[in-house]
Amino acid sequence: KNEVEQSPQNLTAQEGEFITINCSYSVGISALHWLQQHPGGGIVSLFMLSSGKKKHGRLIATINIQEKHSSLHITASHPRDSAVYICAALMEYGNKLVFGAGTILRVKS
Amino acid sequence: DTAVSQTPKYLVTQMGNDKSIKCEQNLGHDTMYWYKQDSKKFLKIMFSYNNKELIINETVPNRFSPKSPDKAHLNLHINSLELGDSAVYFCASSQDRFRGSYEQYFGPGTRLTVT
Repeated sequence: KNEVEQSPQNLTAQEGEFITINCSYSVGISALHWLQQHPGGGIVSLFMLSSGKKKHGRLIATINIQEKHSSLHITASHPRDSAVYICAALMEYGNKLVFGAGTILRVKS
Repeated sequence: DTAVSQTPKYLVTQMGNDKSIKCEQNLGHDTMYWYKQDSKKFLKIMFSYNNKELIINETVPNRFSPKSPDKAHLNLHINSLELGDSAVYFCASSQDRFRGSYEQYFGPGTRLTVT
């Protein structure tokens, strides 16, 4: 069992829908990253958070340290949001990221 | 101006060959990483260097040897390439952990195909 689990694995949404992707982890972490990988392959860091909530445009990331759970929300989804979203936990000791398997998001117009 | 660059972007080679992938960052970061993304798109860390010193060395065959000539560069050399080495290799960098910033910046990836 992976130390970082994401759900769902695949998600198809209609344009305009509110989207939630979940991430759970089983180890002590110092921060959690949300990454986006577009079909072209490049990886972009969306958020890094260690507590609470962060917002950037239509994207919102939250983390609950006690429950070892984080969520990524996309409001008013758009076809250009179609990508793989990857959750990655920064281990408490050392500077090592452990990745979830990713969520493949497809937003249809 | 590209923050983290990798060369080459694509690499097709035969089994048994030796090849290198180069990575450079112009962000002034102290820590650099190599990740492997397999055919199922799963990312896994291979190595990490901090100020030219190896700090993370995951269970990777010793055919893979990272080299960091200075803190802006981290190259990956692979000897005796095998079919299972086919993957996308990503380089990344971040500021040193003791400065409190862990956000990682990724290169564009190198798609290695071993035939």
